[in-house]
Amino acid sequence: ETGVTQSPTHLIKTRGQQVTLRCSSQSGHNTVSWYQQALGQGPQFIFQYYREEENGRGNFPPRFSGLQFPNYSSELNVNALELDDSALYLCASSLGGHTKNIQYFGAGTRLSVL
Amino acid sequence: SQELEQSPQSLIVQEGKNLTINCTSSKTLYGLYWYKQKYGEGLIFLMMLQKGGEEKSHEKITAKLDEKKQQSSLHITASQPSHAGIYLCGADIRNNNDMRFGAGTRLTVKP
Repeated sequence: ETGVTQSPTHLIKTRGQQVTLRCSSQSGHNTVSWYQQALGQGPQFIFQYYREEENGRGNFPPRFSGLQFPNYSSELNVNALELDDSALYLCASSLGGHTKNIQYFGAGTRLSVL
Repeated sequence: SQELEQSPQSLIVQEGKNLTINCTSSKTLYGLYWYKQKYGEGLIFLMMLQKGGEEKSHEKITAKLDEKKQQSSLHITASQPSHAGIYLCGADIRNNNDMRFGAGTRLTVKP
């Protein structure tokens, strides 16, 4: 158990819809990173939030957006869903906005876009 | 192409055998992480290596970092069915909080 919780665990949406995924970070952690993992692939970095500010972004379009709240929990929003957005979405929390700090992962949200 | 290449892609070993998984980077490594993932689940942190030549062990798993070769290896001694899963290496190869991962090595341990 990492203390990082994600909700929901599974989600089915149709193309063009919008989705919000949620992540509660481990107690004491102020940084949340989001990843997309397609089947058979390693996780791909979407973005990171550190103390409520975006602190790095991967190669994802603007329709992927996020928020971090004062309690350091975070949301990932995806607009105009495409079939290729079907994946396992993982969040990871850490202490400090740098990859030198160990990231602890949640169990993920499985998103299916039909 | 992947910036972090893992080999082999999959591995099937008999219980009790030793095995090694490799992770090679095309760029300078600023820290190297090893994680284990059960299918469709989150990643479990195993080890972090930050300095060239560093070696860490936990139970029967040992990881080494060869910074000059931009490579890391994960060695499991006397494998058990509980070692089965997908092993992923991750690294910050741009030193900008962008963690990259390899595609993973799927390990099966036959009893």
